[in-house]
Amino acid sequence: GAGVSQSPRYKVAKRGQDVALRCDPISGHVSLFWYQQALGQGPEFLTYFQNEAQLDKSGLPSDRFFAERPEGSVSTLKIQRTQQEDSAVYLCASSLASGRDTQYFGPGTRLTVL
Amino acid sequence: GENVEQHPSTLSVQEGDSAVIKCTYSDSASNYFPWYKQELGKRPQLIIDIRSNVGEKKDQRIAVTLNKTAKHFSLHITETQPEDSAVYFCAAHSGGSYIPTFGRGTSLIVHP
Repeated sequence: GAGVSQSPRYKVAKRGQDVALRCDPISGHVSLFWYQQALGQGPEFLTYFQNEAQLDKSGLPSDRFFAERPEGSVSTLKIQRTQQEDSAVYLCASSLASGRDTQYFGPGTRLTVL
Repeated sequence: GENVEQHPSTLSVQEGDSAVIKCTYSDSASNYFPWYKQELGKRPQLIIDIRSNVGEKKDQRIAVTLNKTAKHFSLHITETQPEDSAVYFCAAHSGGSYIPTFGRGTSLIVHP
């Protein structure tokens, strides 16, 4: 079946621009995570949804980062007024039930801020 | 919170040799330990996982061992092949948290 998909795969933004990154989880998966992965590092947690509820956003680095999942399926990560330090790969993952189940990752969006 | 240390950061082996990657964790309540393989420019993919109620799990050439007392777990790859070359990440899920903590990754290079 279809896995987790993300779009766009690559995004180049000028500093100060707003960007929106989309994640389509596996159908029926309750939990959805966003991670930030810097070059040569492991994924760092950003935020977690269970259905449409954002249960944890403690990993969001600043109030410029905002995530939503209004209907409990597709999720969007928005970054306002992008900065160079926001350049990274943004990974989305979903799991069937609780966040403690196996997570399936999307291919990521590589964001480059010039 | 949980802290996961992963070693080595780089591992170079000859084809056919074994490779071992080790991770330690700090939270004794952690109870789920997945390992992911990430090829260059690709998504992390789960290759094996272990829960705290078992000490070892094998899947063909890959095995994971868990020592709860010492709070460490290891990935073992036998008869390595060039296609095993990738970055491998360990992670720990605390029993009280749904947020996994990842290690910093090990770049495995298998020379033909």
